Amino acid sequence: DTAVSQTPKYLVTQMGNDKSIKCEQNLGHDTMYWYKQDSKKFLKIMFSYNNKELIINETVPNRFSPKSPDKAHLNLHINSLELGDSAVYFCASSQAQSGGIRGYTFGSGTRLTVV
Amino acid sequence: DAKTTQPNSMESNEEEPVHLPCNHSTISGTDYIHWYRQLPSQGPEYVIHGLTSNVNNRMASLAIAEDRKSSTLILHRATLRDAAVYYCILSNPLNTGTASKLTFGTGTRLQVTL
Repeated sequence: DTAVSQTPKYLVTQMGNDKSIKCEQNLGHDTMYWYKQDSKKFLKIMFSYNNKELIINETVPNRFSPKSPDKAHLNLHINSLELGDSAVYFCASSQAQSGGIRGYTFGSGTRLTVV
Repeated sequence: DAKTTQPNSMESNEEEPVHLPCNHSTISGTDYIHWYRQLPSQGPEYVIHGLTSNVNNRMASLAIAEDRKSSTLILHRATLRDAAVYYCILSNPLNTGTASKLTFGTGTRLQVTL
């Protein structure tokens, strides 16, 4: 069974469009994250939710809006897509009570290409 | 967050051991040392973690210096499937909220050749 699943795996869209990426985890973790990996392969955290509450928002443009309907899901909606948004977006989860000692689990990524 | 320093790249022959170093001279007493790796076109995956003592699991071994200012990830017999970027990250279990994130550096790209 897939522990952290993201959909879609690939997303090609035009500038100015609005798109969403979905993430679900079946590990029972209470914290979920979105990371962005740009063309230089640098992984940077964007958002983190703990039990549906936003706890990390790392200077991300407000065109990006995360939504957590429950602690097993964290979706990412992007408005007015720009060329610079092209990247691979990774969802991850961890168990906050253990301080992440048990390890983060990452999804396989969503490759977003804006044309 | 305390920072880590790793070589940009390393090469190894298949079936030989690989020692991936990591320096973390500003590590605090409660920081755990984590290693993750990212295979091509995949998300990062957990490899191993430790605090003070050396650790072994089915994937690798972690050797931690006595002063904890450096550590080494050991792959006992590298295979082509071990070619990946390896990240050494410090994480403090006492951190909550905004400090609970994993901060990735540039890692070490390991190339394994026949």
